[in-house]
Amino acid sequence: AQSVTQLDSHVSVSEGTPVLLRCNYSSSYSPSLFWYVQHPNKGLQLLLKYTSAATLVKGINGFEAEFKKSETSFHLTKPSAHMSDAAEYFCVVNVGNTGGFKTIFGAGTRLFVKA
Amino acid sequence: GAVVSQHPSWVICKSGTSVKIECRSLDFQATTMFWYRQFPKQSLMLMATSNEGSKATYEQGVEKDKFLINHASLTLSTLTVTSAHPEDSSFYICSARVGPGGNQPQHFGDGTRLSIL
Repeated sequence: AQSVTQLDSHVSVSEGTPVLLRCNYSSSYSPSLFWYVQHPNKGLQLLLKYTSAATLVKGINGFEAEFKKSETSFHLTKPSAHMSDAAEYFCVVNVGNTGGFKTIFGAGTRLFVKA
Repeated sequence: GAVVSQHPSWVICKSGTSVKIECRSLDFQATTMFWYRQFPKQSLMLMATSNEGSKATYEQGVEKDKFLINHASLTLSTLTVTSAHPEDSSFYICSARVGPGGNQPQHFGDGTRLSIL
């Protein structure tokens, strides 16, 4: 079965410290993976995407993620958190093949950033 | 690039009213558009997928006659909530995808907060 699991419902960090948001997936096919951020009362903004090229993907706002096939993981990191990073983050997977594919959303991780 | 505009941002209306929400891809042609509903502190729930010029595909449990979707062009899709009631109050988000490939991300509008009194 195809699935996406965000391992933490919420993460709290201090400003200036590293951020780690964890995502594991399950897929029978080679997946395409995405991280999105959602600020209150807003839509989702694409942070980065993995589509079978380089396994370390750099995104906007200093975020990056590493695709690890052996661990079926795609964790999102940032070296130094900023107050403006406080938001909801979604790990999203496209799974399927040329016959069709499906988009699966993780449950989301709320990131709190303390001053 | 890949900007999706959703309008209106907020709607407050009386029970029984029909409400139309527009979703436009501003700088690309979207072969496929999606409509989601999001409840507080939850992830997105896919309501329907629409391809330009064809009927929308609704997810199980979503009432087709309640949530009318029209995708008349490659840059515009609309969701009409017919005879809205308080239980239809929610945050509705649209998205658009450039091509059919699984490696293409969805690009999201800013959402519409619908409140039915």
